Amino acid sequence: SQQGEEDPQALSIQEGENATMNCSYKTSINNLQWYRQNSGRGLVHLILIRSNEREKHSGRLRVTLDTSKKSSSLLITASRAADTASYFCAYNFGNEKLTFGTGTRLTIIP
Amino acid sequence: EAGVAQSPRYKIIEKRQSVAFWCNPISGHATLYWYQQILGQGPKLLIQFQNNGVVDDSQLPKDRFSAERLKGVDSTLKIQPAKLEDSAVYLCASSSPGQGRETQYFGPGTRLLVL
Repeated sequence: SQQGEEDPQALSIQEGENATMNCSYKTSINNLQWYRQNSGRGLVHLILIRSNEREKHSGRLRVTLDTSKKSSSLLITASRAADTASYFCAYNFGNEKLTFGTGTRLTIIP
Repeated sequence: EAGVAQSPRYKIIEKRQSVAFWCNPISGHATLYWYQQILGQGPKLLIQFQNNGVVDDSQLPKDRFSAERLKGVDSTLKIQPAKLEDSAVYLCASSSPGQGRETQYFGPGTRLLVL
């Protein structure tokens, strides 16, 4: 399967702490994206990083990409209760078709 | 700007019955996707349309699943007959042509339970 792997599968932290989740994939990619899914809802695009980029920021989000290790990480700083959700990495390698990872379930404890 | 619309939101059927899902993408989005998301997993692409033509349906179980996109706008996904393992959330997404086409916009999904 080409599906990416994410770890940890689940993560619980106190509000205000930082959360880090990782994604590994198996092929060469054009870009890698991170999506958030709140319980029972569709996915929301968070950030996209291209294969020639190493780091990208958006608000409290920081994404890194290491193409030599075929891995990416998403850091959420100063977490809030509203960040409780599942987070998925997704990547493509030639067209607009996305392959999603297995997801990390993040719980922020108030 | 209105988002991707899907209906119904929930559906419960018995195995061997038929079911259909409807999706209306964001206006102007040429590309439309249907995904299947089984509980605890990431979404899996079933079919991708570019306007009203199929770009990729390699993971669509064609013996029971069918999809169409009439006039390059709305789309329907049908399952006939349904099996227990079809219980999942069916997500529709769309993307715009040109710059930014890599980003997909998702609807709320249809949660299907097959008994």
